Amino acid sequence: DQQVKQNSPSLSVQEGRISILNCDYTNSMFDYFLWYKKYPAEGPTFLISISSIKDKNEDGRFTVFLNKSAKHLSLHIVPSQPGDSAVYFCAASDRGSTLGRLYFGRGTQLTVWP
Amino acid sequence: DTGVSQDPRHKITKRGQNVTFRCDPISEHNRLYWYRQTLGQGPEFLTYFQNEAQLEKSRLLSDRFSAERPKGSFSTLEIQRTEQGDSAMYLCASSFSGNSNEQFFGPGTRLTVL
Repeated sequence: DQQVKQNSPSLSVQEGRISILNCDYTNSMFDYFLWYKKYPAEGPTFLISISSIKDKNEDGRFTVFLNKSAKHLSLHIVPSQPGDSAVYFCAASDRGSTLGRLYFGRGTQLTVWP
Repeated sequence: DTGVSQDPRHKITKRGQNVTFRCDPISEHNRLYWYRQTLGQGPEFLTYFQNEAQLEKSRLLSDRFSAERPKGSFSTLEIQRTEQGDSAMYLCASSFSGNSNEQFFGPGTRLTVL
């Protein structure tokens, strides 16, 4: 049962343009969302997060938007750079639970070309 | 380097053998997680420790798997009688209990069962 879904396995964007990665979730108990970036042969690296009490969080070139009613979030990267090419994972958790496990989507491979 | 470390980075074994992996979390983090990632999937939760207590185990963690965190610091994950289906990347993550749930991942151990 995939509670976090990333329906686009890949995305290709030209350098300097905006990259938009999408994520949907099904569990209404999720209240904290994270994006991770993963390069080959490395573990996921934390990128940005958002609490369900917000609808936007920005950090430099990265902005995450949350639409709770649609159970949808997106990551915007502006401007995109070739070094952003990686697999991006969306993750969610229920902080009301003491367990803290993350539920991950299957990832989106972003390729930024010059 | 004060990040999460894992050892070994790669392990090739024959079916039926036992293997053990080690994870050293970030020193001030009291939570430690094990995840498994297979090709084309996001990380899947296996088990979670708060200090030395193992608080949750996924149903993915069959009775051939055991994890320990004896002194609330490093953790080991053992797989007995390995099967080819155990081939995966095993990821360890750590975090500090609080309002956020930002987990920091190690580089992973790539297991190949022949």
